Amino acid sequence: AQSVTQPDIHITVSEGASLELRCNYSYGATPYLFWYVQSPGQGLQLLLKYFSGDTLVQGIKGFEAEFKRSQSSFNLRKPSVHWSDAAEYFCAVGHYNFNKFYFGSGTKLNVKP
Amino acid sequence: DGGITQSPKYLFRKEGQNVTLSCEQNLNHDAMYWYRQDPGQGLRLIYYSQIVNDFQKGDIAEGYSVSREKKESFPLTVTSAQKNPTAFYLCASMEIQGTSGYTFGSGTRLTVV
Repeated sequence: AQSVTQPDIHITVSEGASLELRCNYSYGATPYLFWYVQSPGQGLQLLLKYFSGDTLVQGIKGFEAEFKRSQSSFNLRKPSVHWSDAAEYFCAVGHYNFNKFYFGSGTKLNVKP
Repeated sequence: DGGITQSPKYLFRKEGQNVTLSCEQNLNHDAMYWYRQDPGQGLRLIYYSQIVNDFQKGDIAEGYSVSREKKESFPLTVTSAQKNPTAFYLCASMEIQGTSGYTFGSGTRLTVV
């Protein structure tokens, strides 16, 4: 069965520090992988996606993620966090053939001044 | 600009009432989705539709109903059979077998009073 695990429910980092949010997935085929960000009371915005090719993908707002097949992971990183990055982040996995995706439970990021 | 519009943003329901949440998109996407979001549980799929006049149950369809009479519209009815309807509801759309992932609306917060 398909599943996505985000092991960290809450993370707090200082502004200017680096960030890594973890995502592990279970999927029977080569997955499509996504990271989304959600501000309180809002919908989800796509940060980046991986389908194939280069395993390091760049997204918006200075985020990047690396697909590691051997570890079934797709961790999100940012070298220097800004206060405006405080939000909830969701990892999602699926395949376009099935036209639906599965989401992790989210990681809420707090940024200390 | 193309996008997805969900209305209303806030909705209050009395016990025993049915309520309908609206979702309209002008992205010309074939597939549309309804997700329910509860704190700490991520997004759970209620219903989805890949073509007009056809839809499939997701993981938590009990107590909900949908219709897809037009490509642009995918309304969700929360029936009185849904015992715990208070949640944040998100509508999304996507190209069939596309690579863009979901585009989300801004959500409707439903509260039982």
